Amino acid sequence: EAGVVQSPRYKIIEKKQPVAFWCNPISGHNTLYWYLQNLGQGPELLIRYENEEAVDDSQLPKDRFSAERLKGVDSTLKIQPAELGDSAVYLCASSLTSGETQYFGPGTRLLVL
Amino acid sequence: KQEVTQIPAALSVPEGENLVLNCSFTDSAIYNLQWFRQDPGKGLTSLLLIQSSQREQTSGRLNASLDKSSGRSTLYIAASQPGDSATYLCAVPETGATNKLIFGTGTLLAVQP
Repeated sequence: EAGVVQSPRYKIIEKKQPVAFWCNPISGHNTLYWYLQNLGQGPELLIRYENEEAVDDSQLPKDRFSAERLKGVDSTLKIQPAELGDSAVYLCASSLTSGETQYFGPGTRLLVL
Repeated sequence: KQEVTQIPAALSVPEGENLVLNCSFTDSAIYNLQWFRQDPGKGLTSLLLIQSSQREQTSGRLNASLDKSSGRSTLYIAASQPGDSATYLCAVPETGATNKLIFGTGTLLAVQP
């Protein structure tokens, strides 16, 4: 069974440019999570989806970050415009339902120059 | 607000040694506690999940214990191997929000052959 798939794995952009990350969760998993992980820190939740509905986006900086999960399957996280401080690893995770074990993808490592 | 701390931040041991990683949390009213492993450049892998009603969980050479009253958990690794080298993170649900995990900063473990 395929795990959580994320792309791209690495991205280098200049500040003020837009960037998008894609996540395909494990088949059948209704809950999808986007996390931000800074170097030497644990992941921090940005947004959680139950099917296509964003049920917890309190940690998402809405002035520059947006996310969507239109058909309740794969999801896209966008930053526009990117800032130097956005350099981090963006992790996607999914679970069968909310509260179940979360399975993580390999992450997208973003470097903003 | 729940806070999670892990000690030590880094640990280096010779192969074959038994070791203990520590995790502490500020709000003892937790639903469960999870231990994750993160390899360099990769996502997180769930190792053990302890429900609030349990005292410990075992998986192979790993044993995790939970003491809710003192706000502590330990991950015991027996007969360590070089393949155990990774960052180990613990996570508990946010107070009042069982679906939102709060992670510690992790312990970077290096097992020397």
